[in-house]
Amino acid sequence: EAGVTQSPRYAVLQEGQAVSFWCDPISGHDTLYWYQQPRDQGPQLLVYFRDEAVIDNSQLPSDRFSAVRPKGTNSTLKIQSAKQGDTATYLCASSYHKNTEVFFGKGTRLTVV
Amino acid sequence: GDSVTQTEGLVTLTEGLPVMLNCTYQTIYSNPFLFWYVQHLNESPRLLLKSFTDNKRTEHQGFHATLHKSSSSFHLQKSSAQLSDSALYYCALSAASSGSWQLIFGSGTQLTVMP
Repeated sequence: EAGVTQSPRYAVLQEGQAVSFWCDPISGHDTLYWYQQPRDQGPQLLVYFRDEAVIDNSQLPSDRFSAVRPKGTNSTLKIQSAKQGDTATYLCASSYHKNTEVFFGKGTRLTVV
Repeated sequence: GDSVTQTEGLVTLTEGLPVMLNCTYQTIYSNPFLFWYVQHLNESPRLLLKSFTDNKRTEHQGFHATLHKSSSSFHLQKSSAQLSDSALYYCALSAASSGSWQLIFGSGTQLTVMP
């Protein structure tokens, strides 16, 4: 069974540029999470979906970050006008809502210079 | 809000010695799940073990932890450290919200095992 797939694996941007990250969750998983993991810190939840609906996006910087999951499967996280403080690894994870185990993708390592 | 505290940022010990990584939590929910995730260098976090039951020891891959609701703790232990145990360890809390589970992570403990 394929795991959670993310692309790209790495991205380097200048401040002010935009970037999109893509995530394909495990088949059958209705819940999808996006986490931000700054260097030397634990993952911090940005947003999560149940099917196509946003359940919690309270930690998503709404002025520059957006996330969608239009068909309840794949998801895209977009950063408009990146800042150096956005430098981090962005992890996508998925689960089935009746199970507690969350499976993580390999992440996208973003560097903003 | 809910939170997880890991007091040690870095633990270094010699192979063969016992391991104990501390984890305490705060939550309004009476029945949270507690987890330990392990993250090796350049890899994503992977579930190591989890628990829901008060005062019941859970074990996996030589590690064990017991959820103590009275002290809001879920410390990770191993009797004898191995070189391959060197990794980042995250304690995490999950409670159902709107019918789905979300994980809240601690800041992590970097475990380094020396020969």
